[in-house]
Amino acid sequence: SQQGEEDPQALSIQEGENATMNCSYKTSINNLQWYRQNSGRGLVHLILIRSNEREKHSGRLRVTLDTSKKSSSLLITASRAADTASYFCATGLSGNTPLVFGKGTRLSVIA
Amino acid sequence: DGGITQSPKYLFRKEGQNVTLSCEQNLNHDAMYWYRQDPGQGLRLIYYSQIVNDFQKGDIAEGYSVSREKKESFPLTVTSAQKNPTAFYLCASSLEAGEKFFGPGTRLTVL
Repeated sequence: SQQGEEDPQALSIQEGENATMNCSYKTSINNLQWYRQNSGRGLVHLILIRSNEREKHSGRLRVTLDTSKKSSSLLITASRAADTASYFCATGLSGNTPLVFGKGTRLSVIA
Repeated sequence: DGGITQSPKYLFRKEGQNVTLSCEQNLNHDAMYWYRQDPGQGLRLIYYSQIVNDFQKGDIAEGYSVSREKKESFPLTVTSAQKNPTAFYLCASSLEAGEKFFGPGTRLTVL
């Protein structure tokens, strides 16, 4: 079953603009992760935020987590054409239990 | 050069055939996972293994089988019982409750 739901399903922006993607989930989690997938390729891990954290930064990425609303957002600042990809949120429990993925947001950054 | 590899990149199957997808990792990760991705969709869990000689069914295990005889290897067999196997298959591994490392994927097409 897919736990995360990303919003919007697709997003098109101009280079230099910021891109915001949202993720909602249904059950309690230990952590929430964001991944990027270029067309026809494997997924690349971007950032992990634990349930006791509210915000995390990594380069041009900023992730927030609101466990009371069961939601997270991924902000990409000063977007580049190379950021064009699909972005997935995935929720995890403790241990090596599998991640549960949403359907993703397709981001297009136009140069 | 550490990583996770999948082979082949493209695979074609005739009706009634079993085919095996390879997944190998040299990251010394305990856990390995198989996901299926259909066009425009998120990832759905087929099987996962948290330790050698043990594995569990995921959400869509019917028509698939796996083995975990070595820590480094987690092959997936798509049997003739899987009626709609055309999809992109992704293998991943992880050390503990953290980021998952994904392989480049195998695209399976039924002829």
